[in-house]
Amino acid sequence: GAVVSQHPSRVICKSGTSVKIECRSLDFQATTMFWYRQFPKQSLMLMATSNEGSKATYEQGVEKDKFLINHASLTLSTLTVTSAHPEDSSFYICSARDPGAGGKYEQYFGPGTRLTVT
Amino acid sequence: GENVEQHPSTLSVQEGDSAVIKCTYSDSASNYFPWYKQELGKRPQLIIDIRSNVGEKKDQRIAVTLNKTAKHFSLHITETQPEDSAVYFCAASIYTSYDKVIFGPGTSLSVIP
Repeated sequence: GAVVSQHPSRVICKSGTSVKIECRSLDFQATTMFWYRQFPKQSLMLMATSNEGSKATYEQGVEKDKFLINHASLTLSTLTVTSAHPEDSSFYICSARDPGAGGKYEQYFGPGTRLTVT
Repeated sequence: GENVEQHPSTLSVQEGDSAVIKCTYSDSASNYFPWYKQELGKRPQLIIDIRSNVGEKKDQRIAVTLNKTAKHFSLHITETQPEDSAVYFCAASIYTSYDKVIFGPGTSLSVIP
């Protein structure tokens, strides 16, 4: 199946700094990618839909100025957590669907990025 | 927007027994229902999915049923094995070119040897 990668896998940063997380589709082009956040022992919560060449669409309650999303190419979306605080510590996962996969609806998930803000 | 509920939140079964997880969704426009297995610290793995034009689908020990009228869908795992222990998420999606997947809260399944 299609492969989605994320970088970094783990990051520790100090409170007040910004962190950038990359999501790449390695063997397909994705006009749309999705960013999720998962707190310990909780479900994946959709944060935003990343659209190539246009603004991201944020879910209700997600601060767009805090979580900056840029989808500059058909294979790369980035999530920047600005002015990070300890409560932003979480597991961030991206996903994308391969539009060239015929009738397959499957979303492919990246391996996730564990963010710890100290 | 779509809201997915899932029950039970935890489930413990003896090895070899069956496990059933039930979900409901709110948006009648949803037409794609995947199920994911997630192990600690890992990405969700698709284990089976069903589209709204199908009532039931089976893959070896795993089966999923869908009742569109009631907006219910269920996961059935037969002959459970210890390696089935994980967190399982149901999800709902409206398939378009820009579909998004909304997850249920999850079920932690423990299979006791």
